[in-house]
Amino acid sequence: AAGVIQSPRHLIKEKRETATLKCYPIPRHDTVYWYQQGPGQDPQFLISFYEKMQSDKGSIPDRFSAQQFSDYHSELNMSSLELGDSALYFCASSLGGSQPQHFGDGTRLSIL
Amino acid sequence: GQQLNQSPQSMFIQEGEDVSMNCTSSSIFNTWLWYKQDPGEGPVLLIALYKAGELTSNGRLTAQFGITRKDSFLNISASIPSDVGIYFCAGLAGGTSYGKLTFGQGTILTVHP
Repeated sequence: AAGVIQSPRHLIKEKRETATLKCYPIPRHDTVYWYQQGPGQDPQFLISFYEKMQSDKGSIPDRFSAQQFSDYHSELNMSSLELGDSALYFCASSLGGSQPQHFGDGTRLSIL
Repeated sequence: GQQLNQSPQSMFIQEGEDVSMNCTSSSIFNTWLWYKQDPGEGPVLLIALYKAGELTSNGRLTAQFGITRKDSFLNISASIPSDVGIYFCAGLAGGTSYGKLTFGQGTILTVHP
């Protein structure tokens, strides 16, 4: 079965640069979520979209923004990158907000 | 904010043993989920629980949604080496937190052959 696709899998950036992470949800899933996972930590919710509208917002820095497009894929845009932004970034998708979320394999972002 | 307390933090067991881990919360959740995460990969959904008191099995895995809606446990029977990984509970509150998952801190499982 098709899963959540994230790209790139690995990304290396320097401080103050920008990065764009992409997420392609499971076909027919209308809701996407972004999570950040630091080393040895549990995933922390950043933001979610339902039918291309922002549905919930967590501890997402103002330097980050995201959107969901008409084909339901989503992009997380990160600017003025800091060393502390180094983490695994996961996208998940579901059919509506009350159904289980299925995760992609993540993007490992390293800031030098 | 909402928090999930997951225990134990880590477990070292022999192949063939049974394993039990649990999560508790001070808040009510409408859905409880259990995920397994392998290094460098995303969490994989193991079991979803939707009703208080619900007991659900998936092969050697059994999970229950607590009656108070504030806790859940996961049991793994007859563990095998490929059970190694990090297990996370996650709760879905609903209401204004529609769709947002709150995760427990994870249980690191090591299985010795």
